[in-house]
Amino acid sequence: EPEVTQTPSHQVTQMGQEVILRCVPISNHLYFYWYRQILGQKVEFLVSFYNNEISEKSEIFDDQFSVERPDGSNFTLKIRSTKLEDSAMYFCASMGWDRLNTEAFFGQGTRLTVV
Amino acid sequence: QKEVEQNSGPLSVPEGAIASLNCTYSDRGSQSFFWYRQYSGKSPELIMSIYSNGDKEDGRFTAQLNKASQYVSLLIRDSQPSDSATYLCAVKGNSNYQLIWGAGTKLIIKP
Repeated sequence: EPEVTQTPSHQVTQMGQEVILRCVPISNHLYFYWYRQILGQKVEFLVSFYNNEISEKSEIFDDQFSVERPDGSNFTLKIRSTKLEDSAMYFCASMGWDRLNTEAFFGQGTRLTVV
Repeated sequence: QKEVEQNSGPLSVPEGAIASLNCTYSDRGSQSFFWYRQYSGKSPELIMSIYSNGDKEDGRFTAQLNKASQYVSLLIRDSQPSDSATYLCAVKGNSNYQLIWGAGTKLIIKP
């Protein structure tokens, strides 16, 4: 069964450093997302990406964040100059798009710890 | 502000009984509704999607949607200890693609 894969599963970084979280979406999907979940809190939308550009982003997704699809398979989230409050689980999701199927499937997540 | 509300629980249900989870949403234009299950430290796992009013059944799970009341529910029949998890309700509007999430209901199935 096709699945979304994320690497690394756990990333520890020092405050102020840059991190890149990687995702390989399901191959025939068209929409890609990043969500985050701070421990004990609800899932929060960060950004959606379609046709090689950002389609929506939340208030959380400020200039510190960027996304890229550098090739036909990978989808990355870059966080520049990480802060302690960026510590969270980051989930990548992908979605096909037709009138019958708008379900988003999630990767296993990357736990980011900023120290 | 588009919101999705869920009772945080925990909801405790005896093994073999029916667990009933509820969700309300504020955006009347919402078109797609999803239930995800999340085990502690894991990613959300899609259980059910529902797009039209009424019931949709899949195995032990039944999703119910009432757009007039802006209400969606999930019933789990013959509850098993492995069903113990947090259940997240997520809603998508017609004109955007992001999911709006509830905070989740923690379900505990007692053997």
